[in-house]
Amino acid sequence: QKEVEQDPGPLSVPEGAIVSLNCTYSNSAFQYFMWYRQYSRKGPELLMYTYSSGNKEDGRFTAQVDKSSKYISLFIRDSQPSDSATYLCAMSLGGFKTIFGAGTRLFVKA
Amino acid sequence: NAGVTQTPKFQVLKTGQSMTLQCAQDMNHNSMYWYRQDPGMGLRLIYYSASEGTTDKGEVPNGYNVSRLNKREFSLRLESAAPSQTSVYFCASSQRGGANTGELFFGEGSRLTVL
Repeated sequence: QKEVEQDPGPLSVPEGAIVSLNCTYSNSAFQYFMWYRQYSRKGPELLMYTYSSGNKEDGRFTAQVDKSSKYISLFIRDSQPSDSATYLCAMSLGGFKTIFGAGTRLFVKA
Repeated sequence: NAGVTQTPKFQVLKTGQSMTLQCAQDMNHNSMYWYRQDPGMGLRLIYYSASEGTTDKGEVPNGYNVSRLNKREFSLRLESAAPSQTSVYFCASSQRGGANTGELFFGEGSRLTVL
């Protein structure tokens, strides 16, 4: 069993839809939770960074962490075609080793 | 602002050949990393360098060696390439390490095919 599970998709939504992306994990000791966005043939770039549980909002993006359920989510409101990318969840105990999910491919249709 | 620069961007090798992937960052970051990305597997850590002069194994180090040449540069070497090493390789850097690594800044990747 992988430490971090993420549905690879693809997920296809119309422009303006609310998108929900999710990951589950097995290691209850994870403290840092991140979402990276990766455009085709580019490197990942950080979208959201959360320490421990709770919600964090940044513009159209909201990250949620539920440590009791070992479940993290990323919500995208008013999705745009420019949001079409692969979204990678990632988590860490602290330290140098960050564990990534396999990524979910998102397509937002105009 | 270049950020993290990787060379080469594409490479085709034959089984048994060797090669070195180069990485340089201009953000004065302390820590640097090499990841590989395979379909369905996500990013997996090969090696990392917490600071200049140190290197440590990650999740999948077998078949690779690394050198932290100075604070800016971190290279990844394949001594005898195998088809299983066909992948996209990403170099990354971070300002902090230890208790809170913080944001990873990635290069654009090096696409390696081993025939």
